[in-house]
Amino acid sequence: NAGVTQTPKFRVLKTGQSMTLLCAQDMNHEYMYWYRQDPGMGLRLIHYSVGEGTTAKGEVPDGYNVSRLKKQNFLLGLESAAPSQTSVYFCASSYPRLDSTDTQYFGPGTRLTVL
Amino acid sequence: AQSVTQLGSHVSVSEGALVLLRCNYSSSVPPYLFWYVQYPNQGLQLLLKYTTGATLVKGINGFEAEFKKSETSFHLTKPSAHMSDAAEYFCAFSGGYNKLIFGAGTRLAVHP
Repeated sequence: NAGVTQTPKFRVLKTGQSMTLLCAQDMNHEYMYWYRQDPGMGLRLIHYSVGEGTTAKGEVPDGYNVSRLKKQNFLLGLESAAPSQTSVYFCASSYPRLDSTDTQYFGPGTRLTVL
Repeated sequence: AQSVTQLGSHVSVSEGALVLLRCNYSSSVPPYLFWYVQYPNQGLQLLLKYTTGATLVKGINGFEAEFKKSETSFHLTKPSAHMSDAAEYFCAFSGGYNKLIFGAGTRLAVHP
């Protein structure tokens, strides 16, 4: 099992460029998440998905879009990158426990710099 | 609204000393609480979690945490620090759909 993988690992963009981050999981998890990590702020939820074809906004969704066309993949898009989106992005997945007690499994992260 | 506060962004201990990382939460519903660890340039890994039942929770690598409702705390401890424990530690609260609300993190340094 590869667990949760993220592509690419590093990326440098210029302001206004677009890109897509890919997250893939092979654990048959229903739930998937995108977080961003900034110094001194922990991880903040951008968007999440509770199943194929569904997405929902998290705490900091502005400037990002997501899609979940296949159960195993969760894509995060930046349509017009801004320097404020310089961050480390983490994808995670979990089983759909209704009591919200299940563990999230994290990918290794993507370090994005926007110049 | 739920929130998590980690006291101390940096903690430094000597090898063999007690590790104590503090976490307090605010919630109007029964909390489900987690501690995750992040080693340099890696993703997050679950250390332990509290859902229901026993308030003293044991995790991996010798860590444990005690849920104290009266103090709204979930502090992480380890009796004897090892050099390999140097990492960043995050306390988190689980909301609906397993969404996690993270504290700001505490970076633990272990020196010889």
